[in-house]
Amino acid sequence: TQLLEQSPQFLSIQEGENLTVYCNSSSVFSSLQWYRQEPGEGPVLLVTVVTGGEVKKLKRLTFQFGDARKDSSLHITAAQPGDTGLYLCAGALVVGANSKLTFGKGITLSVRP
Amino acid sequence: NAGVTQTPKFRVLKTGQSMTLLCAQDMNHEYMYWYRQDPGMGLRLIHYSVGEGTTAKGEVPDGYNVSRLKKQNFLLGLESAAPSQTSVYFCASRGLAEETQYFGPGTRLLVL
Repeated sequence: TQLLEQSPQFLSIQEGENLTVYCNSSSVFSSLQWYRQEPGEGPVLLVTVVTGGEVKKLKRLTFQFGDARKDSSLHITAAQPGDTGLYLCAGALVVGANSKLTFGKGITLSVRP
Repeated sequence: NAGVTQTPKFRVLKTGQSMTLLCAQDMNHEYMYWYRQDPGMGLRLIHYSVGEGTTAKGEVPDGYNVSRLKKQNFLLGLESAAPSQTSVYFCASRGLAEETQYFGPGTRLLVL
Protein backbone atom coordinates (compact mmCIF):
# COMPACT_ATOMS: atom_id res chain seq x y z
CA THR A 1 0.00 0.00 0.00
CA GLN A 2 1.38 3.37 -0.98
CA LEU A 3 1.08 5.89 1.86
CA LEU A 4 0.82 9.63 1.53
CA GLU A 5 1.62 11.74 4.56
CA GLN A 6 0.25 15.25 4.64
CA SER A 7 1.50 17.95 6.99
CA PRO A 8 0.56 19.79 8.97
CA GLN A 9 -2.72 18.12 9.79
CA PHE A 10 -4.34 21.37 10.94
CA LEU A 11 -3.45 24.96 10.20
CA SER A 12 -5.14 28.13 11.39
CA ILE A 13 -3.83 31.43 10.05
CA GLN A 14 -4.80 35.06 9.68
CA GLU A 15 -6.02 36.47 6.39
CA GLY A 16 -3.10 37.79 4.32
CA GLU A 17 -0.51 35.31 5.61
CA ASN A 18 1.42 32.94 3.39
CA LEU A 19 1.58 29.20 4.01
CA THR A 20 3.10 26.02 2.64
CA VAL A 21 1.77 22.51 3.21
CA TYR A 22 3.29 19.20 2.21
CA CYS A 23 2.44 15.82 0.82
CA ASN A 24 5.16 13.16 1.18
CA SER A 25 5.54 9.54 0.24
CA SER A 26 8.22 6.88 -0.11
CA SER A 27 6.54 5.72 -3.34
CA VAL A 28 6.85 7.09 -6.84
CA PHE A 29 3.61 8.14 -8.48
CA SER A 30 2.76 8.65 -12.13
CA SER A 31 1.04 11.88 -11.14
CA LEU A 32 -0.14 13.67 -8.07
CA GLN A 33 -3.38 15.53 -7.61
CA TRP A 34 -4.52 18.15 -5.14
CA TYR A 35 -8.18 18.42 -4.21
CA ARG A 36 -10.05 20.89 -2.01
CA GLN A 37 -13.10 19.80 -0.10
CA GLU A 38 -15.56 22.14 1.59
CA PRO A 39 -17.88 21.00 4.39
CA GLY A 40 -20.80 18.94 3.15
CA GLU A 41 -19.40 18.56 -0.35
CA GLY A 42 -17.22 16.18 -2.32
CA PRO A 43 -13.57 16.89 -3.17
CA VAL A 44 -12.94 19.08 -6.21
CA LEU A 45 -9.75 18.79 -8.23
CA LEU A 46 -7.42 21.81 -8.07
CA VAL A 47 -4.45 20.59 -10.09
CA THR A 48 -2.62 17.55 -11.42
CA VAL A 49 1.18 17.51 -11.58
CA VAL A 50 2.84 14.92 -13.75
CA THR A 51 6.48 15.74 -14.40
CA GLY A 52 9.16 15.68 -11.68
CA GLY A 53 10.01 19.26 -10.68
CA GLU A 54 6.85 20.62 -12.29
CA VAL A 55 5.41 23.83 -10.89
CA LYS A 56 1.83 24.88 -11.55
CA LYS A 57 0.09 28.06 -10.47
CA LEU A 58 -3.59 28.56 -9.87
CA LYS A 59 -4.08 32.23 -8.96
CA ARG A 60 -2.54 32.50 -5.44
CA LEU A 61 -1.88 28.77 -5.17
CA THR A 62 1.46 27.31 -6.30
CA PHE A 63 1.88 23.54 -6.57
CA GLN A 64 5.20 21.77 -6.98
CA PHE A 65 5.92 18.13 -7.73
CA GLY A 66 9.18 16.82 -6.30
CA ASP A 67 11.99 15.88 -8.67
CA ALA A 68 11.64 12.20 -7.75
CA ARG A 69 7.82 12.32 -8.06
CA LYS A 70 7.40 11.20 -4.45
CA ASP A 71 6.29 14.43 -2.84
CA SER A 72 4.53 17.70 -3.47
CA SER A 73 3.98 21.06 -1.85
CA LEU A 74 1.21 23.62 -1.98
CA HIS A 75 2.01 27.27 -1.28
CA ILE A 76 -0.76 29.82 -0.79
CA THR A 77 0.11 33.49 -1.02
CA ALA A 78 -1.94 36.03 0.92
CA ALA A 79 -4.48 33.51 2.18
CA GLN A 80 -8.14 34.52 2.21
CA PRO A 81 -11.11 33.15 4.17
CA GLY A 82 -12.35 31.57 0.94
CA ASP A 83 -9.28 29.30 1.01
CA THR A 84 -10.65 27.59 4.11
CA GLY A 85 -11.24 23.90 3.56
CA LEU A 86 -9.73 20.42 3.57
CA TYR A 87 -6.83 19.98 1.15
CA LEU A 88 -6.26 16.43 -0.03
CA CYS A 89 -3.38 15.14 -2.06
CA ALA A 90 -3.73 11.94 -4.04
CA GLY A 91 -1.08 9.92 -5.81
CA ALA A 92 -1.98 8.09 -9.01
CA LEU A 93 -0.45 4.72 -9.72
CA VAL A 94 -0.98 3.20 -13.13
CA VAL A 95 -1.12 -0.60 -13.23
CA GLY A 96 -1.85 -1.90 -16.70
CA ALA A 97 -4.92 -0.12 -18.00
CA ASN A 98 -6.03 0.87 -14.51
CA SER A 99 -5.16 3.93 -12.52
CA LYS A 100 -5.96 4.12 -8.82
CA LEU A 101 -5.63 7.03 -6.46
CA THR A 102 -4.20 6.83 -2.97
CA PHE A 103 -5.34 9.73 -0.82
CA GLY A 104 -3.59 11.40 2.08
CA LYS A 105 -5.56 12.16 5.22
CA GLY A 106 -5.83 15.82 4.35
CA ILE A 107 -4.88 19.21 5.76
CA THR A 108 -7.59 21.26 7.42
CA LEU A 109 -6.95 24.93 6.73
CA SER A 110 -8.79 27.72 8.49
CA VAL A 111 -8.19 31.32 7.41
CA ARG A 112 -9.47 33.87 9.90
CA PRO A 113 -10.72 37.23 8.63
CA ASN B 1 -24.67 18.01 -17.13
CA ALA B 2 -25.42 17.06 -13.55
CA GLY B 3 -22.00 15.39 -13.19
CA VAL B 4 -22.02 12.81 -10.40
CA THR B 5 -25.12 12.52 -8.24
CA GLN B 6 -25.69 10.39 -5.15
CA THR B 7 -28.89 9.15 -3.54
CA PRO B 8 -29.80 9.46 -0.72
CA LYS B 9 -28.01 12.43 0.84
CA PHE B 10 -28.50 11.21 4.39
CA ARG B 11 -29.74 8.01 5.99
CA VAL B 12 -30.07 6.54 9.47
CA LEU B 13 -30.05 2.75 9.80
CA LYS B 14 -30.35 0.34 12.67
CA THR B 15 -27.73 -2.37 13.08
CA GLY B 16 -28.54 -5.29 10.82
CA GLN B 17 -30.63 -3.35 8.32
CA SER B 18 -29.72 -3.28 4.66
CA MET B 19 -29.62 -0.47 2.16
CA THR B 20 -28.35 0.50 -1.27
CA LEU B 21 -26.60 3.73 -2.16
CA LEU B 22 -26.99 4.88 -5.74
CA CYS B 23 -24.41 6.76 -7.76
CA ALA B 24 -25.18 8.11 -11.22
CA GLN B 25 -22.95 9.95 -13.70
CA ASP B 26 -23.88 11.54 -17.00
CA MET B 27 -20.35 12.00 -18.39
CA ASN B 28 -20.14 8.60 -20.08
CA HIS B 29 -17.22 7.70 -17.83
CA GLU B 30 -15.80 4.19 -17.86
CA TYR B 31 -14.45 4.13 -14.32
CA MET B 32 -16.49 4.53 -11.14
CA TYR B 33 -15.43 4.37 -7.51
CA TRP B 34 -16.91 4.16 -4.03
CA TYR B 35 -14.97 5.70 -1.13
CA ARG B 36 -15.68 6.20 2.52
CA GLN B 37 -14.38 9.18 4.44
CA ASP B 38 -13.87 9.05 8.18
CA PRO B 39 -12.28 11.63 10.52
CA GLY B 40 -8.53 11.24 10.59
CA MET B 41 -8.60 8.47 7.97
CA GLY B 42 -8.92 10.34 4.71
CA LEU B 43 -10.65 8.77 1.72
CA ARG B 44 -10.47 4.99 1.48
CA LEU B 45 -11.45 3.03 -1.60
CA ILE B 46 -14.19 0.43 -1.01
CA HIS B 47 -14.86 -0.96 -4.50
CA TYR B 48 -14.41 0.24 -8.02
CA SER B 49 -15.49 -0.59 -11.55
CA VAL B 50 -13.56 -0.30 -14.80
CA GLY B 51 -16.62 -0.72 -16.97
CA GLU B 52 -20.19 -1.92 -17.21
CA GLY B 53 -20.59 -5.37 -15.70
CA THR B 54 -17.21 -5.36 -13.93
CA THR B 55 -16.32 -4.63 -10.30
CA ALA B 56 -13.22 -5.00 -8.15
CA LYS B 57 -12.29 -4.74 -4.48
CA GLY B 58 -10.55 -1.71 -3.10
CA GLU B 59 -8.80 -1.14 0.21
CA VAL B 60 -11.76 -1.71 2.57
CA PRO B 61 -14.33 -3.94 0.78
CA ASP B 62 -15.58 -6.07 3.69
CA GLY B 63 -19.27 -5.63 4.49
CA TYR B 64 -20.06 -4.03 1.13
CA ASN B 65 -21.17 -5.25 -2.27
CA VAL B 66 -21.42 -3.36 -5.54
CA SER B 67 -23.01 -3.72 -8.95
CA ARG B 68 -22.52 -1.93 -12.28
CA LEU B 69 -25.38 -3.16 -14.44
CA LYS B 70 -25.51 0.08 -16.42
CA LYS B 71 -22.53 2.21 -17.39
CA GLN B 72 -23.96 5.31 -15.77
CA ASN B 73 -24.86 3.73 -12.42
CA PHE B 74 -22.77 2.23 -9.63
CA LEU B 75 -24.62 0.80 -6.64
CA LEU B 76 -23.13 0.21 -3.20
CA GLY B 77 -24.97 -2.23 -0.95
CA LEU B 78 -24.78 -2.89 2.75
CA GLU B 79 -26.39 -6.25 3.49
CA SER B 80 -26.25 -6.01 7.28
CA ALA B 81 -25.23 -2.59 8.51
CA ALA B 82 -22.88 -2.22 11.46
CA PRO B 83 -22.05 0.88 13.53
CA SER B 84 -18.51 0.73 12.07
CA GLN B 85 -20.05 1.57 8.71
CA THR B 86 -21.16 4.99 9.97
CA SER B 87 -19.35 7.26 7.55
CA VAL B 88 -19.64 9.65 4.64
CA TYR B 89 -19.68 7.78 1.35
CA PHE B 90 -18.44 9.36 -1.85
CA CYS B 91 -18.83 8.14 -5.37
CA ALA B 92 -16.47 9.26 -8.13
CA SER B 93 -16.12 8.68 -11.83
CA ARG B 94 -13.30 9.04 -14.33
CA GLY B 95 -12.99 9.03 -18.07
CA LEU B 96 -10.87 6.49 -19.90
CA ALA B 97 -8.12 8.86 -20.99
CA GLU B 98 -7.87 11.06 -17.93
CA GLU B 99 -6.76 10.76 -14.31
CA THR B 100 -9.13 13.34 -12.82
CA GLN B 101 -11.81 11.83 -10.65
CA TYR B 102 -15.11 13.72 -10.35
CA PHE B 103 -16.81 13.32 -7.01
CA GLY B 104 -20.44 13.34 -5.99
CA PRO B 105 -21.71 15.35 -3.01
CA GLY B 106 -21.64 12.39 -0.63
CA THR B 107 -24.08 10.28 1.37
CA ARG B 108 -23.99 10.59 5.13
CA LEU B 109 -24.83 7.28 6.79
CA LEU B 110 -25.43 6.79 10.49
CA VAL B 111 -25.78 3.23 11.78
CA LEU B 112 -27.20 2.97 15.29
